[in-house]
Amino acid sequence: DQQVKQNSPSLSVQEGRISILNCDYTNSMFDYFLWYKKYPAEGPTFLISISSIKDKNEDGRFTVFLNKSAKHLSLHIVPSQPGDSAVYFCAASLYSGGGADGLTFGKGTHLIIQP
Amino acid sequence: NAGVTQTPKFQVLKTGQSMTLQCAQDMNHEYMSWYRQDPGMGLRLIHYSVGAGITDQGEVPNGYNVSRSTTEDFPLRLLSAAPSQTSVYFCASSYSWTGGGEKLFFGSGTQLSVL
Repeated sequence: DQQVKQNSPSLSVQEGRISILNCDYTNSMFDYFLWYKKYPAEGPTFLISISSIKDKNEDGRFTVFLNKSAKHLSLHIVPSQPGDSAVYFCAASLYSGGGADGLTFGKGTHLIIQP
Repeated sequence: NAGVTQTPKFQVLKTGQSMTLQCAQDMNHEYMSWYRQDPGMGLRLIHYSVGAGITDQGEVPNGYNVSRSTTEDFPLRLLSAAPSQTSVYFCASSYSWTGGGEKLFFGSGTQLSVL
């Protein structure tokens, strides 16, 4: 049973427009959420995170929104650039005190920025 | 700074063979982990370590062994390879794991095929 769901395997957006990537989760115990970006033949790299006590976090062109009641988060990229073409993974962490049991990842969304 | 280094990048094994995937980090990180990524799946945690001499199982540990004799190295051993272990393997590390979703640094991955 997938606890973190990214229901869009791929998304195509025109350069300069807004990209919106969505993520849903089922475990209400998740306390911290992260987005990772992955290029082919490379490992994922951290992009942005948000704590459950916030509903928005912004870093340059990237903004993550969290709706706890809907168990939904989204990543907005404005404006989209060709270098943003990558696979984006949503991940969630339990605030379990230890937390060493890792992150739960979604399947990823392949974002393609069209020129 | 090399970050997280994984070797080899590619490996083909026959069913029943054993091998060790190497992972080394030069950031003095306490926490190290192994994930696997299968097509259409998110990354899943295999094993992790919160410090030298301490390891524990993740979500999918069967068929894999780990040890952590130094802070820098965290090898993953496949005892008797099976086709179900065909996957891309990522090693990841972070400074600590306090339950707040510390950001992981990933290696570039090892693509393993078991025939």
